[in-house]
Amino acid sequence: AQSVTQPDIHITVSEGASLELRCNYSYGATPYLFWYVQSPGQGLQLLLKYFSGDTLVQGIKGFEAEFKRSQSSFNLRKPSVHWSDAAEYFCAVGAGNTGKLIFGQGTTLQVKP
Amino acid sequence: EAGVAQSPRYKIIEKRQSVAFWCNPISGHATLYWYQQILGQGPKLLIQFQNNGVVDDSQLPKDRFSAERLKGVDSTLKIQPAKLEDSAVYLCASSLAGVGEKLFFGSGTQLSVL
Repeated sequence: AQSVTQPDIHITVSEGASLELRCNYSYGATPYLFWYVQSPGQGLQLLLKYFSGDTLVQGIKGFEAEFKRSQSSFNLRKPSVHWSDAAEYFCAVGAGNTGKLIFGQGTTLQVKP
Repeated sequence: EAGVAQSPRYKIIEKRQSVAFWCNPISGHATLYWYQQILGQGPKLLIQFQNNGVVDDSQLPKDRFSAERLKGVDSTLKIQPAKLEDSAVYLCASSLAGVGEKLFFGSGTQLSVL
């Protein structure tokens, strides 16, 4: 069965520091992978997605993610974090042929001044 | 373009009462999803519509939850009777048809069952 694991429930980084959020997936075929961000009281906003091709994907707000098939991972990175990046981050895999997404449990990012 | 609209924004009810949520997807989006997000967890799909037909309702507790999508546009999700464990944020999302399409999410309805 398809699944997504985000090993880190909560991460704290200092403003200006680099960030990496981990995501591991389980899926039988080539996956469609997504990262979404959710600010308090808001819906989820797409940061980036991977379908095929270049394994390094660029997204909005300076985020990027790298697909590593051998490690079943799709980690999200940002070279320099801003205080406004504090939010909940969700990794998701597109399951089957219906377009539905299966989400991980999320990682809460806290940014220290 | 207008986003996915949901109402109400908040709802507080007592257990065994009924409640309904409404969603208006982005115009032209054929696919509509209802997700349940319990505090501290990722969203879990309850039901997926393609136009006005159900594609996937395998995770919907059908003894108490029901959903419909009238004329392939607006959708309502109903809970009757509500249980304490139904306390969650109910997110509606829509997308153009097809695998891998970006999902656009509404702001959600936060339900508290007392």
